[in-house]
Order: sequence, then C-alpha cells, then structure tokens
Amino acid sequence: KAGVTQTPRYLIKTRGQQVTLSCSPISGHRSVSWYQQTPGQGLQFLFEYFSETQRNKGNFPGRFSGRQFSNSRSEMNVSTLELGDSALYLCASSFGDSYNEQFFGPGTRLTVL
Amino acid sequence: QKEVEQNSGPLSVPEGAIASLNCTYSDRGSQSFFWYRQYSGKSPELIMFIYSNGDKEDGRFTAQLNKASQYVSLLIRDSQPSDSATYLCAVTRIYNFNKFYFGSGTKLNVKP
Repeated sequence: KAGVTQTPRYLIKTRGQQVTLSCSPISGHRSVSWYQQTPGQGLQFLFEYFSETQRNKGNFPGRFSGRQFSNSRSEMNVSTLELGDSALYLCASSFGDSYNEQFFGPGTRLTVL
Repeated sequence: QKEVEQNSGPLSVPEGAIASLNCTYSDRGSQSFFWYRQYSGKSPELIMFIYSNGDKEDGRFTAQLNKASQYVSLLIRDSQPSDSATYLCAVTRIYNFNKFYFGSGTKLNVKP
C-alpha cells in the first residue's frame, strides 16, 4: 500500500512569510505526527493529531500550528518565518492506538532566506 | 537529562562484523521501543520495535531490551556497507504511546 506522502518536497521562503505543509498518511492510519529535524537539534516533536484533534504537543512557539481533516490528512503551518526555521519537516503516521508503529514520509525541506 | 540518549558516534566496524548500537532512556514508564535507520538526506525508516524484555530478532537485526537497566540496543550481524547510516532510537510511554521521544542518533560506518 502507498506510504506517507508529503507536499511540497522543497520550499524556499523569506523571513516573515508563512508556509503550509501537507501530509497524507498511510490508508487506515488516523494519527499524524510532525517533527522538525535540524543537524544541531536532531528530531524534535512538534505535535500529534488524531481524529482531527491535537492530542500531543511539543515545545515549539505558537507560530507553529497544525490541523487534521476528516480524511486524516494533516497540514502544518508556520507563520512569520525565521531563519532558524530552516529544517527538514517530517510527518509520520500510525494507527494511533496501541499499534503505534510510526512510519515517516519523505519530508519537506524548508529553506528560509 | 535527555529523555533518550545515544552515542553520536561515528561507530566504525569492518564489513561482516557485528555492529552494536546502544540507547538509554530516563523514564521508567517507557513502554515501546523503536529503532529507525536514516540514510543521509532521507527520512527515517522503521527497522524494528520491541515491547518486552529480552531479545527480538528480525533477519540480521536483533533488538535487546532491559527495562531494569533502562537500555535498549540494536545488533546488526554481518554488517554491510549498505548499513552505513544514522540509527535513531525512539521510545513511547505507557500513559502516552503516541508521543515519540527520539535520541539524537548514532552514525554507523561499515568499512568494506
């Protein structure tokens, strides 16, 4: 079956702009988690959505937000972009219950100039 | 103290040897343990997971879990150059099994 897909794969923005990233989970998966990965900080958890509700949240500022739709697809939004937001943004999906094996999408590489 | 700790490496092993990757975690409520492999420029891919104390084998990979000592390890037998990657350890907790805590990863180099 198809894996996790993310669009766009690459994005270049300038400081102050906002960006929206999209993630489509594996069919049947209801949980979508978002991560930021940078060389210095590693993989950092942003938030997790399950059945259109944010169930878990990491320690990121309010500029980072997300939502999930009824078909489990999820979007992540970053407003007022800063240079430090340049990173690989990964989403991962799972069934969201005790079968919590998580599978990652290919990621969106965001560059902020 | 970090939730999950890994030696950043690099760990260098010759082709055909056993590579041993280790991970320690701080919360005794941790329940599920995962190993991911990440090639440079790619996203992490799930290798295997383990929930119970002891060993779990899958092909050339063996995960070992010791909850009393709070560590989990990954053994790769007959290491191949294609195994060269960064290996990420992740854990979830019994009261929140959908929030993953990742280590910073160990870089493995398998030399031909």
